[in-house]
Amino acid sequence: DQQVKQNSPSLSVQEGRISILNCDYTNSMFDYFLWYKKYPAEGPTFLISISSIKDKNEDGRFTVFLNKSAKHLSLHIVPSQPGDSAVYFCAASLLTTSGTYKYIFGTGTRLKVLA
Amino acid sequence: DAGVTQSPTHLIKTRGQQVTLRCSPKSGHDTVSWYQQALGQGPQFIFQYYEEEERQRGNFPDRFSGHQFPNYSSELNVNALLLGDSALYLCASNWGSGANVLTFGAGSRLTVL
Repeated sequence: DQQVKQNSPSLSVQEGRISILNCDYTNSMFDYFLWYKKYPAEGPTFLISISSIKDKNEDGRFTVFLNKSAKHLSLHIVPSQPGDSAVYFCAASLLTTSGTYKYIFGTGTRLKVLA
Repeated sequence: DAGVTQSPTHLIKTRGQQVTLRCSPKSGHDTVSWYQQALGQGPQFIFQYYEEEERQRGNFPDRFSGHQFPNYSSELNVNALLLGDSALYLCASNWGSGANVLTFGAGSRLTVL
C-alpha cells in the first residue's frame, strides 16, 4: 500500500519557466511533509518542508503548497534552472506508537530543465 | 561538521552470502533509519533505531537486521542474500523525537550476483 504517490515519473520544463511537481497521500495522520532532491550517485538532500498546520511554505525559488482536504501537495520551482534537473521525492511523516516519527517516501519525479 | 557517512560505497556479493553496511549519523543526531532504494523506485523504509533499540520496522523479512551502538552509529545486516536485494541502501539520521528533517548519506550500492 503506497501511502505517498507521485504519479508523474518525469517532467520536462524550459529554463526560466515554472516547474510543478505533485504528490498525493492517503493517510490523514501525516503531520509533516518534505521534498528531497536527488542527483545520481548521491543521497537525497533536503529541499523544503511544510507542517500540516500550514498551507504554504516558501524558500527562495521553491514553494510548497499543501491542500489537506485533497490530500495533495505540490512543489513549485520558479524560475527553473538547468541545475534543478534531478529526481524529486515527496515524503510524509507520522508519529508512531513508539514515540518516534516514521517517514514514507513517494516513488519520485525526474525533472529535466531544458536550457 | 560531517554529515551522514556510509561504508562501503559499493560492494558485490553472491546469492546466499551475508553483508554488513555501516552508518555514522550526522553530529548531534541520535536516530538512524535505513532505507532500500531499488532502481526507479523511491526509498523504502527498512527500520529505525533510537536509543539502541529498533523502534519501527517496514515490510522487510527477518533476513534484514540491524544494530545501533552507544555512539549512535548503526549497522544493517542482510543474511542469505537474494538477487532482489540488489539496491542502493540509504542511511538517514535525525534528532529523536519530533518531526524534523532526515539527513541522508550517499548510500551503499549493493549488487548481488
